Amino acid sequence: AQKVTQAQTEISVVEKEDVTLDCVYETRDTTYYLFWYKQPPSGELVFLIRRNSFDEQNEISGRYSWNFQKSTSSFNFTITASQVVDSAVYFCALSEARETSGSRLTFGEGTQLTVNP
Amino acid sequence: KAGVTQTPRYLIKTRGQQVTLSCSPISGHRSVSWYQQTPGQGLQFLFEYFSETQRNKGNFPGRFSGRQFSNSRSEMNVSTLELGDSALYLCASSLGQRTDTQYFGPGTRLTVL
Repeated sequence: AQKVTQAQTEISVVEKEDVTLDCVYETRDTTYYLFWYKQPPSGELVFLIRRNSFDEQNEISGRYSWNFQKSTSSFNFTITASQVVDSAVYFCALSEARETSGSRLTFGEGTQLTVNP
Repeated sequence: KAGVTQTPRYLIKTRGQQVTLSCSPISGHRSVSWYQQTPGQGLQFLFEYFSETQRNKGNFPGRFSGRQFSNSRSEMNVSTLELGDSALYLCASSLGQRTDTQYFGPGTRLTVL
């Protein structure tokens, strides 16, 4: 069965520090999709990025970057020069997209990031 | 485009009652999924509907049910509420392929007293 582990429950940094959120996943499938979502205090899950198992290219979007490594089953997320507005809970998720699993997302436990001014 | 909308945003019920939550997907999206979020269990998948048919179901008791209408709007129902059903219920929509990205609504916060 699939599993996502986010070992860091809480991280606290000072503004402008860089921070990396770890995500390790388990799946028996060769085709799968990985996601990061952000959940601010309002509760809505905001989509950040999606990566499929065939694409190991790292991605950068502004202050955000993602490092996908199949060899270690990890999909880590780095925020450069963090800002107070980055404070939220961040979730890593996995979808196997099989016919039997549909679009089901399996989420990690989440990492609460607090950026202090 | 408007995002996923969920109504009501907050709900207080008592044990034994039943509740219906509503979700309107992004225009053009045909798949709707429901998730339950609690501090103890995290985010757990309830079920997914596509073209008015349940495509997948999570590991929840039969008290949890759902349906989807021809306009892709979805409702979920919880009967005989228990204290443990207190949670944030999140709805997500996607275009319809199993590989499509899911976009979430703001959630319905259900409190069972």
